Parts: sequence; structure tokens; C-alpha cells
Amino acid sequence: GAGVSQSPRYKVAKRGQDVALRCDPISGHVSLFWYQQALGQGPEFLTYFQNEAQLDKSGLPSDRFFAERPEGSVSTLKIQRTQQEDSAVYLCASSVALYGYTFGSGTRLTVV
Amino acid sequence: KQEVTQIPAALSVPEGENLVLNCSFTDSAIYNLQWFRQDPGKGLTSLLLIQSSQREQTSGRLNASLDKSSGRSTLYIAASQPGDSATYLCAVILTGGGNKLTFGTGTQLKVEL
Repeated sequence: GAGVSQSPRYKVAKRGQDVALRCDPISGHVSLFWYQQALGQGPEFLTYFQNEAQLDKSGLPSDRFFAERPEGSVSTLKIQRTQQEDSAVYLCASSVALYGYTFGSGTRLTVV
Repeated sequence: KQEVTQIPAALSVPEGENLVLNCSFTDSAIYNLQWFRQDPGKGLTSLLLIQSSQREQTSGRLNASLDKSSGRSTLYIAASQPGDSATYLCAVILTGGGNKLTFGTGTQLKVEL
């Protein structure tokens, strides 16, 4: 596609519920990143894929967070047993090199 | 751990003014530095990228400079317009740190008529 597509745009989850956020990167982009952006803050790195390989997951805040990219294209970020502190905008980005990042519009997650 | 700081946190200027946004980082071993723009409810748009070997980059009314030794970058916006109103974020990639971006907290800019 022409850009990075994320769905859903908005998600309201009850505390304890599991959620799955989807990212559809630009076709042919090898690298895919997930970032978490709390209100009024800059994005914080969560995890990075090169094709289907998850090369860095050092930013995932707990074992409730899990990301996958099984076929090297679409990626899913899953959060189990959501908590209020998980409320944030989750941004996905793809790139072909160490520059030229394209970000999606994000998924705003609100845990109530 | 790399820390990126942006000053000011918020800025309001009248249309037509030239302005400077500041970004500082604690670890000078960076691969590159980028400036992004974020509009409410939207993703980030890349504005300028400066490689570690470069000192500045220009695009239209925007000019970004980089001083690695002092750990500073500035984004200069000439003749500001209401359409420039947005949050501006700087981000660095560390040399040997993979290719993850470390972002500052941003400067929220409002350009008034």
C-alpha cells in the first residue's frame, strides 16, 4: 500500500481484557517497529522485526506484551490482561534502511 | 542510556516569526538524528534527517543543524505559518544500537494569526 496502515484506530478495553493491534507495513519494507506513546510524551521503542525475525524486544514493558510478524509482512502486537497503564497510542513504523521511516497513524488504546 | 531532551515543551508565536526548537542528547555516539512532525491524532512525518557526518540539512523553510560534540541539534523554522502548528519531535539512532529511534518529549508549537 501507499502507507503504513494500523487498525483499529481506537480501542477501548476493559481492564483484564486481551487486545490485538494490527500493522500493515509498506510493501517490501523489511524493517518494522512498534512504539508506545503515552499522553504528552515522545514515542518509546517496544520491538523491532527484520522480515519475520524479531531482533529486538528489549522495550516490551512486561511479558503481557507479545508481538509477531509470521510472514514478514503484517505484524500484530498483543497485550494480555490489559491494565490502565497500558493506555497509550501504539505506533507502527516500517523502513528499508536506517532512515526513511514511515509511521502509521497509530492505535489509541484506552483501558477502563 | 541515551536521553533526549527538547526545549521548550511548548511555544506560541505570531505568524511570520522565525523560531528555533532545541534538542539535546546525552550520548554523542549517534548514527543519525531526525526531526519529525506530529499532528493531533496522526502519525509522525519525517521532516529532516542529518547523518552523524553532516552539520545541517535544509528543506524549504526548515533548517536543522547538528553539533555532535555538544550533543545538540536545532530546528529553525523561517516565516512561520499557522499550518506549522504541530508537535515537533527529534529522535536519534545510536551507533551500534540497532536502528531503534530514541525520541525526545517534543515541542508543541502553535502559530497564531
